[in-house]
Amino acid sequence: QSVLTQPPSVSGAPGQRVTISCTGSSSNIGAGYDVHWYQRLPGTAPKLLIYGSINRPSGVPDRFSGSKSGTSASLAITGLQADDEADYYCQSYDSSLSGWVFGGGTKLTVL
Amino acid sequence: QVQLQESGPGLVKPSETLSLTCAVSGYSVSSGYYWGWIRQPPGKGLEWIGSLYHSGRTYYNPSLKSRVTISVDTSKNHFSLKVNSVIAADTAVYYCARGAYGDYYFDFWGQGTLVTVSS
Repeated sequence: QSVLTQPPSVSGAPGQRVTISCTGSSSNIGAGYDVHWYQRLPGTAPKLLIYGSINRPSGVPDRFSGSKSGTSASLAITGLQADDEADYYCQSYDSSLSGWVFGGGTKLTVL
Repeated sequence: QVQLQESGPGLVKPSETLSLTCAVSGYSVSSGYYWGWIRQPPGKGLEWIGSLYHSGRTYYNPSLKSRVTISVDTSKNHFSLKVNSVIAADTAVYYCARGAYGDYYFDFWGQGTLVTVSS
């Protein structure tokens, strides 16, 4: 069982907006640690998508955005495209575990 | 561009030691940043195994700490993972990654290597 909780799956039609939630606790997100998001396309390594809760690495389209509030965070994807179909993982740091923690992952299906 | 590549046996017998190496190119492992191992068992999510800072300080997942060692070889510009007394539940795709300087995320990842624990 993952320390951070994500919905197992979300879906949307091309062009639509979807959000993926990531819920933590007072020892990780709620303690002020940033949330980071990774995209894992089928058969590839995870790719950093959002860091510091809201920042995009160079090359990541601005269709992807992150937010954080309290003990939760969200990843929003607008203008959904077929090649956005992937697994998305949130990640943070947990002070109780003294380590890096991940969500269980969310499979995005583009209808 | 930083690149990482995992290597090691794809099959390990139960109770034996899993050993993997991550070769780094485009950056020196002895400079800043830190280095980590993450794994993904079949059908499950990502699990952090441990991180090694350039200072030599290591941090391990409490659930694996008694069986895991991460070390670095600066002469070969690579770092390694050892997991002792493996069981079937250690079957996973193992990724190595570079940790971002001053923050708690991984900015570059290797392609991953599948390790199966089976007799």
